[in-house]
Amino acid sequence: ETGVTQTPRHLVMGMTNKKSLKCEQHLGHNAMYWYKQSAKKPLELMFVYSLEERVENNSVPSRFSPECPNSSHLFLHLHTLQPEDSALYLCASSQGYIANEQFFGPGTRLTVL
Amino acid sequence: RKEVEQDPGPFNVPEGATVAFNCTYSNSASQSFFWYRQDCRKEPKLLMSVYSSGNEDGRFTAQLNRASQYISLLIRDSKLSDSATYLCVVQGGTSYGKLTFGQGTILTVHP
Repeated sequence: ETGVTQTPRHLVMGMTNKKSLKCEQHLGHNAMYWYKQSAKKPLELMFVYSLEERVENNSVPSRFSPECPNSSHLFLHLHTLQPEDSALYLCASSQGYIANEQFFGPGTRLTVL
Repeated sequence: RKEVEQDPGPFNVPEGATVAFNCTYSNSASQSFFWYRQDCRKEPKLLMSVYSSGNEDGRFTAQLNRASQYISLLIRDSKLSDSATYLCVVQGGTSYGKLTFGQGTILTVHP
């Protein structure tokens, strides 16, 4: 595997379900990010981990819970989501938090019924 | 006011045309500037950084005007493969290191 991978690529879940999104980066980077991309809206930064410590949490509802067990892996745990949470969730990584370039994974297309 | 504002388009141009995209940002403390490209149903990828002196990469030219808080991207001799959404991205300002994305400008190049 190369670059940034995400699983699953597509997810449909009910409002009462609990699911997790997984991201893995194979680039040796030390910063990882979760973004939300909704239709006709800019990418919204959700969480940032630098050296496995959370450095940003952009007022994201508690029904989204990130986890970064090591510098290569990032999870987004989901529970009791709302239909408006349906979006493309993108993971990214970079070498250093203050980096010029972030490398994105292909994203998970989430639909909440 | 949006932190990063772009004309969403869409821009529909014939092959070979020259097309320019504009972007404005609200925070004068912003430090770094980029253009990313996002193909349909794909992830964003860095196209080029934007420097105060202006910079060129093949058919692509980026300009930055810090006084006006304005960024531009010029594409010359458009190719069909240039069809994508172009994202204006600003780093720093309200949150050190954070990338703030514009909504994106859709470009379609037709034969």
